Amino acid sequence: QSALTQPASVSGSPGQSITISCTGTSSDVGGYNYVSWYQQYPGKAPKLMIYDVTNRPSGVSHRFSGSKSGNTASLTISGLQAEDEADYYCSSYTSSSTVVFGRGTQLTVL
Amino acid sequence: QVQLVQSGAEVKKPGASVKVSCKASGYTLTAYYMHWVRQAPGQGLEWMGWINPKNGGTNYARKFRGWVTMTRDTSISTAYMELSRLTSDDTAVYYCARGGANSPLLGGDYWGQGTLVTVSS
Repeated sequence: QSALTQPASVSGSPGQSITISCTGTSSDVGGYNYVSWYQQYPGKAPKLMIYDVTNRPSGVSHRFSGSKSGNTASLTISGLQAEDEADYYCSSYTSSSTVVFGRGTQLTVL
Repeated sequence: QVQLVQSGAEVKKPGASVKVSCKASGYTLTAYYMHWVRQAPGQGLEWMGWINPKNGGTNYARKFRGWVTMTRDTSISTAYMELSRLTSDDTAVYYCARGGANSPLLGGDYWGQGTLVTVSS
């Protein structure tokens, strides 16, 4: 199972919106509405930000939203804040009943 | 509250095995799948596999089949991940993460604190 494709890095200024893409295949992202997004700070465990493509866990800011079209899922962060600077990973359930992660995207807030 | 508490850091020699534990509290271990994920230094997240604590069923990533074993002890609400024939490439932080309720989905709502395994001669 190949890793999902994410941009290595994205950047934006405070207040702007950014979108991180996550591209897979019809056997994972495109085949199921089970895409999740995680935020990770250095030395910390990942934190769930979005699950089942569009759902936000309790306590996650409304500035985070998810979507999917075909084999590509996206995470959008609006009203960018300095605290959003972190690594972001997508994951998807697969047709083999396994899980595959993206390679990760480093978000820089300028 | 739900917590996953992992065992402490390990230093192993090449060729050895390591067994990492993940103690669950605040919920019933058998009600949710448990996943294991690792992260090498400076690298991304890598999914290793899941275990269904209810019946011990497992599904491992193709890369790890034959050298990872996931088990559980329901009497002490603990899941285990054992990796054998260690090489320096296995130096990483290993995480347990709660899966779905009676589902192999990676819920990912709760993660252990991570266990650093260092493989060095």
